[in-house]
Amino acid sequence: EAQVTQNPRYLITVTGKKLTVTCSQNMNHEYMSWYRQDPGLGLRQIYYSMNVEVTDKGDVPEGYKVSRKEKRNFPLILESPSPNQTSLYFCASKGGDTQYFGPGTRLTVL
Amino acid sequence: GENVEQHPSTLSVQEGDSAVIKCTYSDSASNYFPWYKQELGKRPQLIIDIRSNVGEKKDQRIAVTLNKTAKHFSLHITETQPEDSAVYFCAASFRGFGNEKLTFGTGTRLTIIP
Repeated sequence: EAQVTQNPRYLITVTGKKLTVTCSQNMNHEYMSWYRQDPGLGLRQIYYSMNVEVTDKGDVPEGYKVSRKEKRNFPLILESPSPNQTSLYFCASKGGDTQYFGPGTRLTVL
Repeated sequence: GENVEQHPSTLSVQEGDSAVIKCTYSDSASNYFPWYKQELGKRPQLIIDIRSNVGEKKDQRIAVTLNKTAKHFSLHITETQPEDSAVYFCAASFRGFGNEKLTFGTGTRLTIIP
């Protein structure tokens, strides 16, 4: 089944404790992206990747890192999480014109 | 950078009536405009999109119109049904070599009243 997976789905952590949210797709898509969704602000793009080893900033990249060492995986790294990074995070990959979103990761930073 | 404004933020319509959601964008270079539907607790899903070389596109009860001069685009849903209740997001991007940043509007919560 063609899909985008994210792990973990839920995470509660504390300020400053490094964390990684994994994202994987099995559709051989070149384009992948990370978004955060906050009430009243919609979806905001954090980073995107056009292909392996090619990443670029979206609208809200501060406090986040990404890597694209292989086509199927695009992890999101928070080196020192802060409470303002509490949000719902979506990974997506794009085939043709269609972006396929993962199920989301709800992150709470205390 | 691109800025996308979406109105209204909430919309309630009687079942069977039409719903219209409007978006404006700021970057005249944007050339791709998708619409996503997000049901409660679920992930966003693409429902329709339009490119800048087309003025209108239809898919059954859903249509999107684009006015490049005014930098407006709109989603039209006819004969609304209860399953149309969701949050709808518009988005805009410039699709060029090596660059595909996607900017979303803030969303419209559509409620269909039975």
